[in-house]
Amino acid sequence: DADVTQTPRNRITKTGKRIMLECSQTKGHDRMYWYRQDPGLGLQLIYYSFDVKDINKGEISDGYSVSRQAQAKFSLSLESAIPNQTALYFCATSGAQEVGDTQYFGPGTRLTVL
Amino acid sequence: TQLLEQSPQFLSIQEGENLTVYCNSSSVFSSLQWYRQEPGEGPVLLVTVVTGGEVKKLKRLTFQFGDARKDSSLHITAAQPGDTGLYLCAGLYDKVIFGPGTSLSVIP
Repeated sequence: DADVTQTPRNRITKTGKRIMLECSQTKGHDRMYWYRQDPGLGLQLIYYSFDVKDINKGEISDGYSVSRQAQAKFSLSLESAIPNQTALYFCATSGAQEVGDTQYFGPGTRLTVL
Repeated sequence: TQLLEQSPQFLSIQEGENLTVYCNSSSVFSSLQWYRQEPGEGPVLLVTVVTGGEVKKLKRLTFQFGDARKDSSLHITAAQPGDTGLYLCAGLYDKVIFGPGTSLSVIP
């Protein structure tokens, strides 16, 4: 079984709709992240959480919110989706003691906003 | 703002050729990592380099961290179709920052 899972894997929605992407991990890591990937732009950090009570904005947090429901669960919400939020979204985890803060990624969610 | 640049952005080569891709920054990083991402999947760590001048080998892949810890290179010897993918470098500052990636296509 995968250590980091994301649901849904694909989602098509309309402008103005509220969307939630969910992430679960079985690695026992305290740190969790949400990234957005667009062609040619690499991975941009949206939000990150170093433990259940710690939530931090990343580079591109506008239009997004997150919830850390438990150590193993970190969800990303788009309150009112817009077409330029069409992208590939990745959840990742890392362990505080690992060299280089190695990121373990989920399989991604492809979101299309019409 | 810490930025990582990667070059080339795209690379298409024949099976058996050698190649080098580069990762550069104006900032000094505590460590630098290389990830490979295959279509439809999340990135997977290949290597972490920590010490300036460090060289690590992973089968046909050779990774080097610059002496000043601002740049890195990835050299692939005798590329194979299985090497096809997006290669991302990531530098650790106060948090991990990813470069835009080099998309490699190895043609049989």
